[in-house]
Amino acid sequence: SAVISQKPSRDICQRGTSLTIQCQVDSQVTMMFWYRQQPGQSLTLIATANQGSEATYESGFVIDKFPISRPNLTFSTLTVSNMSPEDSSIYLCSVGAATGEAFFGQGTRLTVV
Amino acid sequence: AQSVTQLGSHVSVSEGALVLLRCNYSSSVPPYLFWYVQYPNQGLQLLLKYTTGATLVKGINGFEAEFKKSETSFHLTKPSAHMSDAAEYFCAVSDPGGSYIPTFGRGTSLIVHP
Repeated sequence: SAVISQKPSRDICQRGTSLTIQCQVDSQVTMMFWYRQQPGQSLTLIATANQGSEATYESGFVIDKFPISRPNLTFSTLTVSNMSPEDSSIYLCSVGAATGEAFFGQGTRLTVV
Repeated sequence: AQSVTQLGSHVSVSEGALVLLRCNYSSSVPPYLFWYVQYPNQGLQLLLKYTTGATLVKGINGFEAEFKKSETSFHLTKPSAHMSDAAEYFCAVSDPGGSYIPTFGRGTSLIVHP
């Protein structure tokens, strides 16, 4: 299984600002994903981070709000832009295995005030 | 399209009692099925998975789940609950012939009383 390091682990941010979350994997992986987990809710896939090309966003998520970088096969960033209190959530980085399971980082707990 | 239904957003048991968390899925193809656990302030950890073969799968911490195709279910059980089992549990399904991206249920919060 992959070891995924995500930072920051938590942050409190002012509305209107942006936060970049980093995700580092200890091995090269093809599939890398970003999820949002709103308070008391399940996981919602934001996008698939593609190495060398633009991320693939799910319905309801756009690049201007959640720009994603994937410069290589071990690293990705998610930026939450122009934040509002509604963006307060846990953001999770995930990598996929060929057998279908997903491995997760510890998550970033974001509070927007 | 796939979907997962977890019956009961909260399940409360006494320490030492049987744990049963229910999961039903919908999939147009034989799925891969997973249970994840999320402890407070942590990410998700894989408990167990079913891909092919034996329909009763054993996972970590004494948990097991049985794939029942006829019932489209994958319920999670543990014979005797421990206080440390208190956490959020997520059932997930993925399409082995597709993108492998799992679809998650809404989660069940397991509460263990002393």
